[in-house]
Amino acid sequence: SQTIHQWPATLVQPVGSPLSLECTVEGTSNPNLYWYRQAAGRGLQLLFYSVGIGQISSEVPQNLSASRPQDRQFILSSKKLLLSDSGFYLCAWSRGYTYNEQFFGPGTRLTVL
Amino acid sequence: AQTVTQSQPEMSVQEAETVTLSCTYDTSENNYYLFWYKQPPSRQMILVIRQEAYKQQNATENRFSVNFQKAAKSFSLKISDSQLGDTAMYFCAFMKRNTGTASKLTFGTGTRLQVTL
Repeated sequence: SQTIHQWPATLVQPVGSPLSLECTVEGTSNPNLYWYRQAAGRGLQLLFYSVGIGQISSEVPQNLSASRPQDRQFILSSKKLLLSDSGFYLCAWSRGYTYNEQFFGPGTRLTVL
Repeated sequence: AQTVTQSQPEMSVQEAETVTLSCTYDTSENNYYLFWYKQPPSRQMILVIRQEAYKQQNATENRFSVNFQKAAKSFSLKISDSQLGDTAMYFCAFMKRNTGTASKLTFGTGTRLQVTL
C-alpha cells in the first residue's frame, strides 16, 4: 500500500528565516506530486505540482519554491519567510493515469511570527 | 479557469438526521471529475465521494450520495443518518479530465458541518 509522509508536523519560524518542508511517498513509483496551502478559514490553493524528477510547475507567484530531487521526494522551500506564508501546507500524490485521484499527506502547520 | 463555490460556510445537523451541502462550479470543460473531501479536526483530507461528469448516475458511498446536475453545474452532497464522526469541514473540488499528466484540483472554500446530539 502507498503512504505519504510530511514533516515537520508543526513549525514556528520568525519572519525572514528560511523554510524547508519535506514530503515523501512510499509504495509507488513516478507519482505526480502536489503542494497545496490552506490559509485560515479558506480552501486549498495549489502552489506547485511535479510530474517527474526536476520538473516543477508553479501555479501562483509567491515567495516559495519547490524541488523534486528524487522520484518520491517533494520539497517546499523559502529563502526568507513572510508573515503571509503562515498556513497549513498539504502535500498530495497521484498516479500518472488518466484518472488522477489525489491522496493527501497529514500536513504541516506553519506559523510565521 | 474553473471556479468552485460553496455558499454555506457553516451547517448543523442532529445525529441520525439528513443534511445536504451545496456546491456549484463554473467550467467550459465537458470532461471532468467532481469530488467531496472531508477534513476532520485532525486536518487529514479524506476523499468522501467522486463523480465522473460523463456518468448520469449519481455516485453513492454508503451514507453519502450526491445530486449531480451537469446542466446546472451543481454538485450537492447528502449525508444520511448523520453521525458525530461526520463533524468536519467539507470541501467540494473540481478536476479536469486529463490524458496522463498531473491534474489539478480546484477547491471551494468549504462548509463546516457540526453534528449534534
